[in-house]
Amino acid sequence: SYELTQPPSVSVSPGQTARISCSADALSRQHATWYQQRPGQAPLLILYKDTERPSGIPERFSGSSSGTTVTLTISGVQAEDEADYYCQSADGDGRVFGGGTKLTVL
Amino acid sequence: QVQLVESGGGVVQPGKSLRLSCVASGVTFSNYGMHWVRQAPGKGLEWVALIYFDGSNKYYADSVKGRFTISRDNSNNTLYLQMKAMRAEDTAVYYCASRTSITVGDGLDIWGQGTMVSVS
Repeated sequence: SYELTQPPSVSVSPGQTARISCSADALSRQHATWYQQRPGQAPLLILYKDTERPSGIPERFSGSSSGTTVTLTISGVQAEDEADYYCQSADGDGRVFGGGTKLTVL
Repeated sequence: QVQLVESGGGVVQPGKSLRLSCVASGVTFSNYGMHWVRQAPGKGLEWVALIYFDGSNKYYADSVKGRFTISRDNSNNTLYLQMKAMRAEDTAVYYCASRTSITVGDGLDIWGQGTMVSVS
């Protein structure tokens, strides 16, 4: 198995851009999925296959991939975006999650 | 409306057993592989187990292998997690989750609300 590495926290002011990275050698071969988790709620899938956004997810959420790092970008951050964000990838048939990043909107 | 509802959580003593259930509605349960994912208090998400749509294959995280068993009853749209020889470190919210659309790749697009398990 392997680990996905995320920064523990990111802080931005409303209207600014937040970037959250997720790194692992495996990401050069595997896609990543991103989840948003608000306090007391279940995770919500917000990006899949590194860059794809499900219907209903605001356009301000986008993703990119370069080598062994994938990045979640939130443009024009809003107060409601304050949450924990997790990246996830596959490990054989299993799944592996990053440690999570707490996004604070100042 | 697709919905997963977990139940069976509670307080259990170390070394004892507990069985969790997850009932699916609004989706053809027998078409999809199902996962258990847990989250210890104040911690991140940890994948626990996967069972294929037909129950033919099962996979476990190393942390639970040999102690937990995932199973399903497609006739009753229900997923189970039998937990034995429980430890304090098994204390967590347990979510059932699934991928209902192949377009999301390896992602999990539906989640239950979770059920809390405390080992103490």
